[in-house]
Amino acid sequence: AQTVTQSQPEMSVQEAETVTLSCTYDTSENNYYLFWYKQPPSRQMILVIRQEAYKQQNATENRFSVNFQKAAKSFSLKISDSQLGDTAMYFCAFMNKDNYGQNFVFGPGTRLSVLP
Amino acid sequence: DAGVTQSPTHLIKTRGQQVTLRCSPISGHKSVSWYQQVLGQGPQFIFQYYEKEERGRGNFPDRFSARQFPNYSSELNVNALLLGDSALYLCASSLVTLGRNEKLFFGSGTQLSVL
Repeated sequence: AQTVTQSQPEMSVQEAETVTLSCTYDTSENNYYLFWYKQPPSRQMILVIRQEAYKQQNATENRFSVNFQKAAKSFSLKISDSQLGDTAMYFCAFMNKDNYGQNFVFGPGTRLSVLP
Repeated sequence: DAGVTQSPTHLIKTRGQQVTLRCSPISGHKSVSWYQQVLGQGPQFIFQYYEKEERGRGNFPDRFSARQFPNYSSELNVNALLLGDSALYLCASSLVTLGRNEKLFFGSGTQLSVL
């Protein structure tokens, strides 16, 4: 079974600074996707960024980028120029793509606070 | 366009009761998934339905069941409620099962409290 670990329950960063959230996962599969989701107090899960395991190039989305180390099974999220609106829970998620469906495995989350 | 909508937003039940949660996917989305998020934890996969057929089931007891209707909306049923069923129940939809450029869109959830 796949597992996702986020070793930082809480983190804080000053506005405009850069912060990195850690994620490691365990799987024997070779074809999978990795995601970072943000959950603000509204509780809605919002996709931040996704990475396909077969791609060596790290994904980027504006201020968000990842460091994907497949051999180490590591998938960290870097947030540049942090904004107050980035304050939220961040979940790392793994999905094994099979022929029939999708099954996300989420980590326990990291609570990020952006301080003014 | 409306996003994924879930109803009700909050629900209070007592142990032993049954509950039905509802989800309407984004228009045109054919795949619906359900997740349980206990306070302080990440969401856990319960079910996925695609084209009205069950495509995946997580490690949940048979008290949990779901179905998808011809309009692709979905219901999650939980029988014989336990205190431990108290959680936020999230519904997510996607156009098809996730492919190269697919995204999973989540609703805001139903907060279930079992007393």
